[in-house]
Amino acid sequence: KQEVTQIPAALSVPEGENLVLNCSFTDSAIYNLQWFRQDPGKGLTSLLLIQSSQREQTSGRLNASLDKSSGRSTLYIAASQPGDSATYLCAVILTGGGNKLTFGTGTQLKVEL
Amino acid sequence: KAGVTQTPRYLIKTRGQQVTLSCSPISGHRSVSWYQQTPGQGLQFLFEYFSETQRNKGNFPGRFSGRQFSNSRSEMNVSTLELGDSALYLCASSSGTLNNEQFFGPGTRLTVL
Repeated sequence: KQEVTQIPAALSVPEGENLVLNCSFTDSAIYNLQWFRQDPGKGLTSLLLIQSSQREQTSGRLNASLDKSSGRSTLYIAASQPGDSATYLCAVILTGGGNKLTFGTGTQLKVEL
Repeated sequence: KAGVTQTPRYLIKTRGQQVTLSCSPISGHRSVSWYQQTPGQGLQFLFEYFSETQRNKGNFPGRFSGRQFSNSRSEMNVSTLELGDSALYLCASSSGTLNNEQFFGPGTRLTVL
């Protein structure tokens, strides 16, 4: 059974700091990995999708990497801003798993002025 | 392009009642998945529909059911509601092709009294 873990569970940083969020998964037979953010009481916003054949993806201040062999992905946020405050979730799709996402436990990020 | 829409946004029901939630995917998307989000269990996969057929199912009791129409809109139904069914129900839309990037709606907040 695929298990996805995110560390840390919560993080508070001053504005402007670069930060790294971690995601680990137990089954390396993944099809892709997707990072989302969720604001309180809202739906999920897709940030980045990394296919299993890719090593990283970038979008603006965000960079996500994937290391299938070690079962890890990291989300790097450069020059953090208060608007980045949210819960960040990683999710994987197993090869042959259709569209079923298995979610991590999430990292709650607070960026302070 | 319009995003994923879910109706209603909020629902209050009592134990024993049944409820139907609706999800309209992004135009052109044929896959719709449903997830339940609770503080204790996080995000859990309910089921996925693709071209009107259930393609994948999570570990939920038979009280949870769904269907998809020819225009890709999907409904999920929960019968004989229990207090533990109180949750945020999210639907996700994807094209269903190999990319499988998924886009979420704002969710329906269900409260069971």
